[in-house]
Amino acid sequence: QITLKESGPTLVKPTQTLTLTCTFSGFSLSTSGVGVGWIRQPPGKALEWLALIYWNDDKRYSPSLKSRLTITKDTSKNQVVLTMTNMDPVDTATYYCAHRQDAFDIWGQGTMVTVSS
Amino acid sequence: DIQMTQSPSSVSASVGDRVTITCRASQGISSWLAWYQQKPGKAPKLLIYAASSLQSGVPSRFSGSGSGTDFTLTISSLQPEDFATYYCQQANSFPVTFGGGTKVEIK
Repeated sequence: QITLKESGPTLVKPTQTLTLTCTFSGFSLSTSGVGVGWIRQPPGKALEWLALIYWNDDKRYSPSLKSRLTITKDTSKNQVVLTMTNMDPVDTATYYCAHRQDAFDIWGQGTMVTVSS
Repeated sequence: DIQMTQSPSSVSASVGDRVTITCRASQGISSWLAWYQQKPGKAPKLLIYAASSLQSGVPSRFSGSGSGTDFTLTISSLQPEDFATYYCQQANSFPVTFGGGTKVEIK
């Protein structure tokens, strides 16, 4: 059974850097074809894809946020970490990580991040 | 970027109704399309991948069709637990993009 869980701060100040960790079980991020992605959703709005890392360490980013995002993996810890720099109130959202094979087939519960001074 | 446009943005329907949601891609994406269901306060749930493949455990009243630029999600007989927001997502190329969502409400 695949599970994922996001963790990180619930409140960050403007200009700070956000670090979110996705801890997963039930699969290995060293298995060919597997990826873990991050998707966010501002309150009342649609889903927005942020980044994706594959088993072979191939990394993809949303072009509009690429300069602010870094995604890494620690296969031994079964974790994927997303950092987002220079946080702004418009980045207030629920942040999800998800397992990707054919699609984002299993999602974490999400973690709400508020950006406010 | 490939833009995904869903219609309608909301639909009111009754239990037992047939509901169809449309998703249009700004350029051809072959069959690289997924559909998700999201209930308030919950994470999205994958329903359909590769345009028409039913995810394991998803009821057969859900079906997907289409290829190229035009896709549909059909709920053959709406059940009370189906009232939710539905999103399409293209997986043809990066960046991954989602549609704006379709809210299925109780009539």
